[in-house]
Amino acid sequence: TQLLEQSPQFLSIQEGENLTVYCNSSSVFSSLQWYRQEPGEGPVLLVTVVTGGEVKKLKRLTFQFGDARKDSSLHITAAQTGDTGLYLCAGAPNNAGNMLTFGGGTRLMVKP
Amino acid sequence: EPEVTQTPSHQVTQMGQEVILRCVPISNHLYFYWYRQILGQKVEFLVSFYNNEISEKSEIFDDQFSVERPDGSNFTLKIRSTKLEDSAMYFCASSEGPREAYGYTFGSGTRLTVV
Repeated sequence: TQLLEQSPQFLSIQEGENLTVYCNSSSVFSSLQWYRQEPGEGPVLLVTVVTGGEVKKLKRLTFQFGDARKDSSLHITAAQTGDTGLYLCAGAPNNAGNMLTFGGGTRLMVKP
Repeated sequence: EPEVTQTPSHQVTQMGQEVILRCVPISNHLYFYWYRQILGQKVEFLVSFYNNEISEKSEIFDDQFSVERPDGSNFTLKIRSTKLEDSAMYFCASSEGPREAYGYTFGSGTRLTVV
């Protein structure tokens, strides 16, 4: 079973601060996806990273896939209160399957 | 923006009863999935479905579970005899194509409570 561990589990910061969330595994994934989940809703896809070392930017969010495709990070610059939510990483296994393995999530609170 | 629609949003059922959770995937999507999330735990894969058959399933997806695409639009998850531990949020998802080339779109979920 391929596991994904996210850290930190909880993060509370002030508006305007920067933060980084990590997603780590001992297994290789063919790709990693980052989702954001609001209470009572399904996960919403933010980005997919596929190539080792790949960096993708989505406005103030920067996503990186590790060179060995075992880990990923999400960096938010100048956090806003609207960034508050649960951030999930999910990996596609390094085989032909389509299933996703999810991490436990990082719950972010951005205070005004 | 196209959505994956799930009904009902909440379902309460007695232990041992059968439940059917319904999903309408995005119309041009070909791959369909069910995931579940027990309160406070990780989102877990149940099953994937393509070309009218199951393509993958997890250990959770035992003989009590089945999926069906009865017509061109609906995708259902049936639990034959519910157990207390089946209480969870069940998410349907769909994608246009396989794997990482295509993003998954999740529905808002059905909260199943087994009493």
